[in-house]
Amino acid sequence: QTVVTQEPSFSVSPGGTVTLTCGLSSGSVSTSHYPSWYQQTPGQAPRTLIYSTNTRSSGVPDRFSGSILGNKAALTITGAQADDESDYYCVLYMGSGIRVFGGGTKLTVL
Amino acid sequence: EVQLVESGGGLVQPGGSLRLSCAASGFTFSNYAMNWVRQAPGKGLEWVSTISASGGSTYYADSVRGRFTISRDNSKNTLNLQINSLRAEDTAVYYCAKDQRGGVAGTNYFESWGQGTLVTVSS
Repeated sequence: QTVVTQEPSFSVSPGGTVTLTCGLSSGSVSTSHYPSWYQQTPGQAPRTLIYSTNTRSSGVPDRFSGSILGNKAALTITGAQADDESDYYCVLYMGSGIRVFGGGTKLTVL
Repeated sequence: EVQLVESGGGLVQPGGSLRLSCAASGFTFSNYAMNWVRQAPGKGLEWVSTISASGGSTYYADSVRGRFTISRDNSKNTLNLQINSLRAEDTAVYYCAKDQRGGVAGTNYFESWGQGTLVTVSS
């Protein structure tokens, strides 16, 4: 069974840039997986950030961007702010209507 | 404004059943595919199931296939999840999420989310 992999944790300094990745335990991520990204703070529902690899959801600041880097999907946050401290999840489409979440990355801004 | 309000969660014994509902408003419910996503306490998000706008197509994660049934009532703007043979590992907050289109394809993503309802499976 293919697993979607994410860094368990990451830290970034305020104003800095961080790139979170989303990979596969077997194989490469491509645009055909239509990667999407979601932000979640504790006790809250997720918020949609990016879909179809690099399209920002409505209202999402352009500090957030998505891409494919090598064999992984990537979420880059530029000019990190304190309220970017959250859990970030990617989702990949595996075909036949099946979507799989990554394990999530806990981002600390300090 | 899109609103998704889940209900039906609670404490249930292992082997029991539960029916979750999601009341939708602020959009034409019958035009959009809908989903259930869950999150166990302290754990990550897990996609559970998707239903197309018409209800004619349904999809399930391997972990729930055969025990969970997703359905919708487009006349009542309601999404449902029937959960049978509950196990301790089904303990989670269950979120209702709206897709951005009616069919189910790779381009679908979770566009809007409800606040979730907690299901606790324990004796």
